[in-house]
Amino acid sequence: ETGVTQSPTHLIKTRGQQVTLRCSSQSGHNTVSWYQQALGQGPQFIFQYYREEENGRGNFPPRFSGLQFPNYSSELNVNALELDDSALYLCASSLRAGGPGRNEQFFGPGTRLTVL
Amino acid sequence: AQKVTQAQTEISVVEKEDVTLDCVYETRDTTYYLFWYKQPPSGELVFLIRRNSFDEQNEISGRYSWNFQKSTSSFNFTITASQVVDSAVYFCALSPNNNNDMRFGAGTRLTVKP
Repeated sequence: ETGVTQSPTHLIKTRGQQVTLRCSSQSGHNTVSWYQQALGQGPQFIFQYYREEENGRGNFPPRFSGLQFPNYSSELNVNALELDDSALYLCASSLRAGGPGRNEQFFGPGTRLTVL
Repeated sequence: AQKVTQAQTEISVVEKEDVTLDCVYETRDTTYYLFWYKQPPSGELVFLIRRNSFDEQNEISGRYSWNFQKSTSSFNFTITASQVVDSAVYFCALSPNNNNDMRFGAGTRLTVKP
């Protein structure tokens, strides 16, 4: 069974640029959630994707967008990068949609984004 | 509003000591779920436990135990006979029943010294 994988591992961008982060869900999982974890803080929920559609969103501006593909992998896109976007971006997959209370989420190792 | 507070920013113990990590939560929901995750230096969040709001039974899993008290809105985590490999950041989290959001605390960094 393959776990959740994310790419790239690290990324450095400059303010105003755009970035795409990628996530492959665990085998058999059809739902992907994305989290942002700033240094020294807990992860914050960005959004969840199920059947290629957004299925819930946290308090993040529209410049944070995502995609889910038919193979259930997912992308997180961030436009017009700001310095505060520097963080570890975690992806989590689960067997089905819904809250983590009923559907255990399995996390990937994250992508560390640095915005200069 | 959902909120999770982990008042202990950092804890340092010597191997074989017992250590308790505190977690206090706020929610208006009657049905909710509580979690503990471990985050080693590699960055990946490792699931430790999930409890629903109707199950206040304490749980023990090897050297780990959890104390859920609805009366004080706390869900504390104890590691017995700590080991160096327990060194990590530990997060407590809360999720409402009908919401995809999971609200994390700020985490407690545990260092276990040999």
